[in-house]
Amino acid sequence: DVKVTQSSRYLVKRTGEKVFLECVQDMDHENMFWYRQDPGLGLRLIYFSYDVKMKEKGDIPEGYSVSREKKERFSLILESASTNQTSMYLCASSLRAPTNEKLFFGSGTQLSVL
Amino acid sequence: GEDVEQSLFLSVREGDSSVINCTYTDSSSTYLYWYKQEPGAGLQLLTYIFSNMDMKQDQRLTVLLNKKDKHLSLRIADTQTGDSAIYFCAETLNDYKLSFGAGTTVTVRA
Repeated sequence: DVKVTQSSRYLVKRTGEKVFLECVQDMDHENMFWYRQDPGLGLRLIYFSYDVKMKEKGDIPEGYSVSREKKERFSLILESASTNQTSMYLCASSLRAPTNEKLFFGSGTQLSVL
Repeated sequence: GEDVEQSLFLSVREGDSSVINCTYTDSSSTYLYWYKQEPGAGLQLLTYIFSNMDMKQDQRLTVLLNKKDKHLSLRIADTQTGDSAIYFCAETLNDYKLSFGAGTTVTVRA
């Protein structure tokens, strides 16, 4: 079965810190995604990648960047964390475009920025 | 998910049927999905329906699609305590992007 692993379940960081969220998938999926989940707002797409070293902005990319140096790993970077980035972050992957293949999600990282 | 709307909460008695409703806006969406999120976990695909279908049944789950009204519903028959979760409706916007609703928290009471 596909496994999407996020490196941390909970993270607490201070305002202004640089934060790295790591995600690894073990099924050779082409596509990887970062979403943030906020109560009452659902999931919003931050960035996605359809190939190594390729990235595309989602709906809310401001304040974030991503890195995909290897196919199995997709990192989300908060260059200078702010309190409004406190949220649940979900990583997902799919074999092909999500409209043809289902998304597999990690368990999420709850980030608190103080 | 500003384009996908669903009610935020649903409380249902164990053994009854649950119906979760969703409205979407993009009439060109090819697939519509229902994802389930259990406490402390990521989302898992529950079921999906292709836009040229009106209904899809899978064991206790029935999905109804009304394209004219852009309305999608998920019915869970004989609701069990294990069905307590957040249910997300999602529509396809393009090859890579899904638009998710805010999620409906279903609470099953004894």
